[in-house]
Amino acid sequence: SQTIHQWPATLVQPVGSPLSLECTVEGTSNPNLYWYRQAAGRGLQLLFYSVGIGQISSEVPQNLSASRPQDRQFILSSKKLLLSDSGFYLCAWSAGTDYEQYFGPGTRLTVT
Amino acid sequence: QKEVEQNSGPLSVPEGAIASLNCTYSDRGSQSFFWYRQYSGKSPELIMSIYSNGDKEDGRFTAQLNKASQYVSLLIRDSQPSDSATYLCAVKSNFGNEKLTFGTGTRLTIIP
Repeated sequence: SQTIHQWPATLVQPVGSPLSLECTVEGTSNPNLYWYRQAAGRGLQLLFYSVGIGQISSEVPQNLSASRPQDRQFILSSKKLLLSDSGFYLCAWSAGTDYEQYFGPGTRLTVT
Repeated sequence: QKEVEQNSGPLSVPEGAIASLNCTYSDRGSQSFFWYRQYSGKSPELIMSIYSNGDKEDGRFTAQLNKASQYVSLLIRDSQPSDSATYLCAVKSNFGNEKLTFGTGTRLTIIP
């Protein structure tokens, strides 16, 4: 069966500090991978998605970036965090043609 | 007009009754539709997917799709307090990308 991991689960970072969040998927090959952010009390905002190694599509221009160094690894980064970057960051995967997406447990980021 | 619209609620339903959650979408070419359940502080969990007009039943859950009216709904029969959560509707466009568009969710509370 497929499993998706995200870490860390919780993170408190000062403004201006760098960020690296990691997501890995087990049990499937060549998944589509997604990064979402959910601000408190808000909907899901798609940040990036990837259909293959090194292929990243950006949905929202901002100070975040994403990379996919391996087939089942997706990394979200920032060089300098802003207060507005606080939120619940969710990684998701999908495979095949049914387009069902499955979410990881998420990382709750607080920028202080 | 938002691409995927849901009533934000809160929707309060007595235990044992039927909860009805509604979602409308703007892209007439959409082909795939999903319902996710999100408990407070947790990541979304896929509970139903529907691709054809009509009803699809899975246990106490029934998804209903009407493409002509651009409307998808989720019925929860015999509502339980454990059904209290935010329900997100998601839609896959017929265009050639791999994205889902999410509504902002309906908060459902089941009253014992």
